[in-house]
Amino acid sequence: DVKVTQSSRYLVKRTGEKVFLECVQDMDHENMFWYRQDPGLGLRLIYFSYDVKMKEKGDIPEGYSVSREKKERFSLILESASTNQTSMYLCASSPGGGGANVLTFGAGSRLTVL
Amino acid sequence: AQSVTQPDIHITVSEGASLELRCNYSYGATPYLFWYVQSPGQGLQLLLKYFSGDTLVQGIKGFEAEFKRSQSSFNLRKPSVHWSDAAEYFCAVGISGGGADGLTFGKGTHLIIQP
Repeated sequence: DVKVTQSSRYLVKRTGEKVFLECVQDMDHENMFWYRQDPGLGLRLIYFSYDVKMKEKGDIPEGYSVSREKKERFSLILESASTNQTSMYLCASSPGGGGANVLTFGAGSRLTVL
Repeated sequence: AQSVTQPDIHITVSEGASLELRCNYSYGATPYLFWYVQSPGQGLQLLLKYFSGDTLVQGIKGFEAEFKRSQSSFNLRKPSVHWSDAAEYFCAVGISGGGADGLTFGKGTHLIIQP
């Protein structure tokens, strides 16, 4: 069964800490995404990557960075966590090629920043 | 830019009753349309998708959706809901040639099932 695995389901961090959220997919997908989910706001795209070492800003990249050193792994980094970054973070991947593709999601990482 | 509107934040339906969740999109060309479901504490699971062809598409768990270009809508339906259908439902739109750009999601509809 194809999978997107997010290593941490629940994290509690303090303001100012550096936070790493890891995502691994085993489907050999070219595209990977990080979304943030908040009640009443739905899913908002933070960053995406269409190839190793390539990254593009989504709709809300401020306060975040990403890293994709290997095809299967896409990391989201909060350089200095703030309370307004308390949220559910969802990683997804999709195959390459033209057209819109089906996204496969991980189970999510719920981050609380105190 | 494309956008998605789900007009209903919450919907309550009795078990066994029919269901329709509304979705309207804004995009200049023919979009790619999706419905995803999210159970509590989980990620999103694809219910169904429309890329082209027959405007009535069948999905998993007995769901179907109909693409209506004239109304810019892609409403999700189920003839008889089960208690296990209680979840958050998201409509999403993708654009042609935009595979690497991901999808644009609506804000979701929370479905409550009454016994």
